[in-house]
Amino acid sequence: SQTIHQWPATLVQPVGSPLSLECTVEGTSNPNLYWYRQAAGRGLQLLFYSVGIGQISSEVPQNLSASRPQDRQFILSSKKLLLSDSGFYLCAWSTGTSKGYNEQFFGPGTRLTVL
Amino acid sequence: AQSVAQPEDQVNVAEGNPLTVKCTYSVSGNPYLFWYVQYPNRGLQFLLKYITGDNLVKGSYGFEAEFNKSQTSFHLKKPSALVSDSALYFCAVRDGGYQKVTFGTGTKLQVIP
Repeated sequence: SQTIHQWPATLVQPVGSPLSLECTVEGTSNPNLYWYRQAAGRGLQLLFYSVGIGQISSEVPQNLSASRPQDRQFILSSKKLLLSDSGFYLCAWSTGTSKGYNEQFFGPGTRLTVL
Repeated sequence: AQSVAQPEDQVNVAEGNPLTVKCTYSVSGNPYLFWYVQYPNRGLQFLLKYITGDNLVKGSYGFEAEFNKSQTSFHLKKPSALVSDSALYFCAVRDGGYQKVTFGTGTKLQVIP
């Protein structure tokens, strides 16, 4: 069966510090991968998605970046965190086909607090 | 462009009563519609989806949803609510062929014992 892991689960970082959040998927190959941010426990904002290694689409211009160095690994990074980067970060995957009807499976999330 | 609206910020229902969580959508092509549930401090869990065919879709935990093309709606329903159903519910839409999914703002369901 497929599983998705995210770490760390919680993170407290000072403003201006770097960030690296990691997401890995097991039990599937060539998945589509997504990073979302959820602020104040509500709406999801799509940050990045990837349909293959090295292929990253950015949805929102900001100080975050994403990379996919391996098929089932997705990394969210920042060189300098802002207060506004605080939130709940969710990684998700879906079956990698050209058809759009596949549901997404979400990881447990990372709670980031920037002080 | 695709969009989805969840007009109710919160829905309160008594345990044992039927529940409905509303969702309307807008897409330019054929819609693929999804419902997810989120418990506190957890990731989202997939409940059900509509792709094509029967307008009534059955999903996990006794939930179902009805696709209504003329009203561009995809309301989530359950005949008898449980206290454990209390959570945040998200409707989502994907325009056919796109990899990007648009989520609604979520509806908090509170089931009162």
